[in-house]
Amino acid sequence: KQEVTQIPAALSVPEGENLVLNCSFTDSAIYNLQWFRQDPGKGLTSLLLIQSSQREQTSGRLNASLDKSSGRSTLYIAASQPGDSATYLCAVLYGNNRLAFGKGNQVVVIP
Amino acid sequence: DGGITQSPKYLFRKEGQNVTLSCEQNLNHDAMYWYRQDPGQGLRLIYYSQIVNDFQKGDIAEGYSVSREKKESFPLTVTSAQKNPTAFYLCASSISGLEGNEQFFGPGTRLTVL
Repeated sequence: KQEVTQIPAALSVPEGENLVLNCSFTDSAIYNLQWFRQDPGKGLTSLLLIQSSQREQTSGRLNASLDKSSGRSTLYIAASQPGDSATYLCAVLYGNNRLAFGKGNQVVVIP
Repeated sequence: DGGITQSPKYLFRKEGQNVTLSCEQNLNHDAMYWYRQDPGQGLRLIYYSQIVNDFQKGDIAEGYSVSREKKESFPLTVTSAQKNPTAFYLCASSISGLEGNEQFFGPGTRLTVL
């Protein structure tokens, strides 16, 4: 069974610092890995999707890397802003098109 | 606009009552999914459907039922057999149930049992 772990569970950073969020998964046989953002009480917003054949994806201040062989992904958010405060979820697509989610990284950016 | 809609946004239920959550998509996707999220937890798969008139149990199907009579609709019924139904429910869809297709999510329904 695929298991996804995200560390740290929660973190606070001063505005302007870079954010580094980690995700690990137990089975490297994945189709892709996706990072989502979730605001309190809201649905999921897809941030970046990395196909299994790719090593990284970038969108604006966001960069996500994927090391499939070691079962790891890292989401970098450059020059954090208070608006980046949210929960970030990592999910891997595997097997019969199943998505396995981590529990999330809860981020607070302090002005 | 293409997308996934879920209604209602908030739902309250008395213990012992069944309740149905709506999920509709106009993306022409074949596959649809229901997830449950509890506070501080990731999403867990309840049921999924790869095509009309077919569906399979996910990891936590007990106490739930679904139907897939139309391609665009995948309603979820939370029955009285579900012991702890208070949670945030998210619906998703993908082009097909074949491997590797990205899932797109609706805005969610928050169910509270009084």
